[in-house]
Amino acid sequence: GQSLEQPSEVTAVEGAIVQINCTYQTSGFYGLSWYQQHDGGAPTFLSYNGLDGLEETGRFSSFLSRSDSYGYLLLQELQMKDSASYFCAVRSSGAGSYQLTFGKGTKLSVIP
Amino acid sequence: DSGVTQTPKHLITATGQRVTLRCSPRSGDLSVYWYQQSLDQGLQFLIQYYNGEERAKGNILERFSAQQFPDLHSELNLSSLELGDSALYFCASSVEGTGTSINEQFFGPGTRLTVL
Repeated sequence: GQSLEQPSEVTAVEGAIVQINCTYQTSGFYGLSWYQQHDGGAPTFLSYNGLDGLEETGRFSSFLSRSDSYGYLLLQELQMKDSASYFCAVRSSGAGSYQLTFGKGTKLSVIP
Repeated sequence: DSGVTQTPKHLITATGQRVTLRCSPRSGDLSVYWYQQSLDQGLQFLIQYYNGEERAKGNILERFSAQQFPDLHSELNLSSLELGDSALYFCASSVEGTGTSINEQFFGPGTRLTVL
């Protein structure tokens, strides 16, 4: 089976940098994705890492180490609107199947 | 707006009843996924359909079933409802192919089911 671990809550100050870690145990690992979900909203895709290293998209970066079964999401220049839940998700194997297994999410609170 | 639509937005029903949730994927997307989100369990994958055929199955109860129709819309049927089935049900769609685009799933706004 698959399991993912991420902190349940993180609080950070507006303008600061925050890192949300994710460790996983899975078979047939293909890649690690990150999704953002605001209260009452739908998850929206942030980034994907299929290979080791850092992917940068604006203020958000995501990192993967396959050998350590570990990844993180880095949010820079935090804004109040970044307050949301962040989910890591593992894409697992299967011919033609792009099944995602999600972690339980990290609730980020950005304070002034 | 992700381009994925779900109806209804809210559904309130009683234990033992049966409901049908509907999802229309983004134009051009052949894959549809169903997820259940509850407070204690997070986002749980239920089932995936690709171009009308079941492709992957997750933690879907036997009381639940789904199908994808020729026009690619999908329905999730929940029967013999229990209090614990109260949750947000999301549908997502994705495009098949190569490159990073296949790793992005586009989620609909969800259907909030309340079982009383």
